[in-house]
Amino acid sequence: SQQGEEDPQALSIQEGENATMNCSYKTSINNLQWYRQNSGRGLVHLILIRSNEREKHSGRLRVTLDTSKKSSSLLITASRAADTASYFCGHYTGANSKLTFGKGITLSVRP
Amino acid sequence: KAGVTQTPRYLIKTRGQQVTLSCSPISGHRSVSWYQQTPGQGLQFLFEYFSETQRNKGNFPGRFSGRQFSNSRSEMNVSTLELGDSALYLCASSFAGGPTGELFFGEGSRLTVL
Repeated sequence: SQQGEEDPQALSIQEGENATMNCSYKTSINNLQWYRQNSGRGLVHLILIRSNEREKHSGRLRVTLDTSKKSSSLLITASRAADTASYFCGHYTGANSKLTFGKGITLSVRP
Repeated sequence: KAGVTQTPRYLIKTRGQQVTLSCSPISGHRSVSWYQQTPGQGLQFLFEYFSETQRNKGNFPGRFSGRQFSNSRSEMNVSTLELGDSALYLCASSFAGGPTGELFFGEGSRLTVL
């Protein structure tokens, strides 16, 4: 079973608006990663935040991590139609080499 | 540097048949992971190979198997196909594998079982 959950499951916004997606997990983690998947394609790594970090930026992406709440959020600023995709959070736990993913968030950006 | 290459991209099989999917990782990457993606179950981890050894295995029946060759290329096999095996099978590579690094995914092999 999935150990992570994202919310909302689907998000529809207008181009130029910000998109905020949340992810929760159940165990302690080594790091948390966000990936994007365009329809029917492979996943593309967006950003990684380590368990001892609280916030990280990469271009229009901002990710936060709250280990006390076992949650993370991904903010995409000034969204574009090209940001339309599914977004997944994934994490490693301990020495386990399995990256566990949530079920994903479908983001639609209307032009 | 070439990305992760998966073949075939699309295939159609019938129940009871078997299928072999191939994955060529990024040059220099020694870890290959396989995932099954379906609308209902999402991304499910199948297994991870590192230096020809299966290092981790997900909760799938024995019909799902894999292997890795000395050049790090990997194959996965599904025997006695069932309708529920219809899915996008994704391969991902990384230099050393978990539990810390990012994964580089291929475009997937879409399997349809009729």
